Amino acid sequence: QVQLVESGGGVVQPGRSLRLSCAASGFTFSSYGMHWVRQAPGKGLEWVAVIWYDGSNKYYADSVKGRFTISRDNSKNTLYLQMNSLRAEDTAVYYCARETLTDEIVQMLDYWGQGTLVTVSS
Amino acid sequence: SYELTQPPSVSVSPGQTASITCSGDKLGDKYASWFQQKPGQSPVLVIYQDSKRPSGIPERFSGSSSGNTAALTISGTQAMDEAAYYCQAWDSSTVVFGGGTKLTVL
Repeated sequence: QVQLVESGGGVVQPGRSLRLSCAASGFTFSSYGMHWVRQAPGKGLEWVAVIWYDGSNKYYADSVKGRFTISRDNSKNTLYLQMNSLRAEDTAVYYCARETLTDEIVQMLDYWGQGTLVTVSS
Repeated sequence: SYELTQPPSVSVSPGQTASITCSGDKLGDKYASWFQQKPGQSPVLVIYQDSKRPSGIPERFSGSSSGNTAALTISGTQAMDEAAYYCQAWDSSTVVFGGGTKLTVL
């Protein structure tokens, strides 16, 4: 079965860096686009970034552009999120999610990991 | 940037029909998805491509979309349906979520 397991969260000081990982299993990882979505405590979902199945294209939310970098290693079935210059407002649970295309070539986020908590605080 | 607007809260009595709306400019020209999220859990896809249900999602969940509004309807609402619901759409290559609606079953 499809599994997405995030790791790498923790407490970090403002201005520092952190790298999140998302280990994928149960499907052909190299065939799927992957996303990061975050949720601040008590708040709604906020999309962060997407990377195409082959890593050829990446897109970011304006709130993280220039500070976060999404990447993947298809040989290791792993998705990453490098977060630099962290701010208090980056405090959130970070989820990775798989993007699937339907038969009609419509996108959907069909599987999500359990999330990893990042707390930015001095 | 593209925005999706949802009511913050909706209440429904058990067994009744709950409807949650999501509005956005020409949303009917895009495809909407809906996610259910219970406290402490990850979001679960309940509707995609406006009105399709993933495998394992009960038939009481349905979706529709027209004009500037998409809607999630839960027929015969059960206590277990109490959760936050988020609509989502694609804007070019990026993803947009609505602010979420807390569904209370009372």
